[in-house]
Amino acid sequence: NFMLTQPHSVSESPGKTVTISCTGSRGSIASNYVQWYQQRPGSAPTTVIYEDYLRPSGVPDRFSGSIDSSSNSATLTISGLKTEDEADYYCQTYDSNNHDVFGTGTKVTVL
Amino acid sequence: EVQLVESGGGSVQPGGSLKISCAGTGFNFSSYWMYWVRQAPGKGLAGVARMNSDGSSRSYADSVKGRFTISRDNAKNTLYLQMNSLRAEDTAVYFCASHPPGQLVLYWGQGTLVTVSS
Repeated sequence: NFMLTQPHSVSESPGKTVTISCTGSRGSIASNYVQWYQQRPGSAPTTVIYEDYLRPSGVPDRFSGSIDSSSNSATLTISGLKTEDEADYYCQTYDSNNHDVFGTGTKVTVL
Repeated sequence: EVQLVESGGGSVQPGGSLKISCAGTGFNFSSYWMYWVRQAPGKGLAGVARMNSDGSSRSYADSVKGRFTISRDNAKNTLYLQMNSLRAEDTAVYFCASHPPGQLVLYWGQGTLVTVSS
């Protein structure tokens, strides 16, 4: 089965930049759009990036997404880190059977 | 503003059935794709099922295929998930989510907890 692997956790100080990778187990991650979701403790997920790099209305431009075909990875970058960014982040795409596949999740800690 | 409100969660014994619902407001429900995504306690997100706007296309995770059925009533702006032959591993918060046609931005509900235990 197709899987998306993320680092378990990342941490950084306020104002700094963190990057979260999302690596596909096989095939080409560039074949289907990648979305990123933020889930704060005790809350429902919200979308921070969709269709690889687009931001929904209301999401600050500190959040950006990209695709690197050479490493079969997607990346979420959060710049100017704020305490409110402390959350779990999940990537998501579709496999060859058009099933939803979610990443393993990354916990972002703001030091 | 897109709003999704789940209901119908609760406790059920293994082998039992439960039907959960999701009411949508603030958007053209009948044109949106609809999803169910679950999260087991302390675990990550997992897709359960999804359905296109008119119900002609449905997709299920292998773990629930043959046991769960996704459906929608566009006249009532409501999405459903019928869950049969429930197992302990189906215990999770079930989130309803939706995206507009041609745009993969998911809007999420707050979730409803389903507990399968004897």
